[in-house]
Amino acid sequence: GAGVSQSPSNKVTEKGKDVELRCDPISGHTALYWYRQSLGQGLEFLIYFQGNSAPDKSGLPSDRFSAERTGGSVSTLTIQRTQQEDSAVYLCASSPVGTSNQPQHFGDGTRLSIL
Amino acid sequence: RKEVEQDPGPFNVPEGATVAFNCTYSNSASQSFFWYRQDCRKEPKLLMSVYSSGNEDGRFTAQLNRASQYISLLIRDSKLSDSATYLCVVKRGSQGNLIFGKGTKLSVKP
Repeated sequence: GAGVSQSPSNKVTEKGKDVELRCDPISGHTALYWYRQSLGQGLEFLIYFQGNSAPDKSGLPSDRFSAERTGGSVSTLTIQRTQQEDSAVYLCASSPVGTSNQPQHFGDGTRLSIL
Repeated sequence: RKEVEQDPGPFNVPEGATVAFNCTYSNSASQSFFWYRQDCRKEPKLLMSVYSSGNEDGRFTAQLNRASQYISLLIRDSKLSDSATYLCVVKRGSQGNLIFGKGTKLSVKP
């Protein structure tokens, strides 16, 4: 079956440009998460959407980062005025609503490089 | 102190060896626990959930000690294909985000 789909798979852009990353979660999964992973580092939580509730934005590193989720499905992560330290792999995950033990399923990620 | 701590390794072991990874977490409100596996330049994939009673999946055994806030993963009869980074993961509450350790790198040699 279809897993979490992310696009683009790779993005190279110049410092100062805005970028948009897209995530299409598994059908029926109401929870959607964005993480990022810098080279050689662990995963860093960015933002979490659950159904129609207000998103948990506690992990966003600065106000240049924002995300939205339209219609409870597809999500877009936007980074404005990109900086070189934004270079990382941006991973999206989704999970169904349910018990605490529901695992998250990850997409392949978007590898973002800021020149 | 990081919320989830792991020995980064690397653990270099021969095929057939038994290897154990440990992880500690600092937030006693953590409710769910997992081990994920991440291959080089790939996304993390769930290896197994971890239960207080301990659970086994083939060559893999996971244990949770809530009193000590300690999680372990044991791999028996290791294979070359087990080479990867193993991520210890905790989840706060039923709808919280996952908190990842930085991972322990395992390299299984012929």
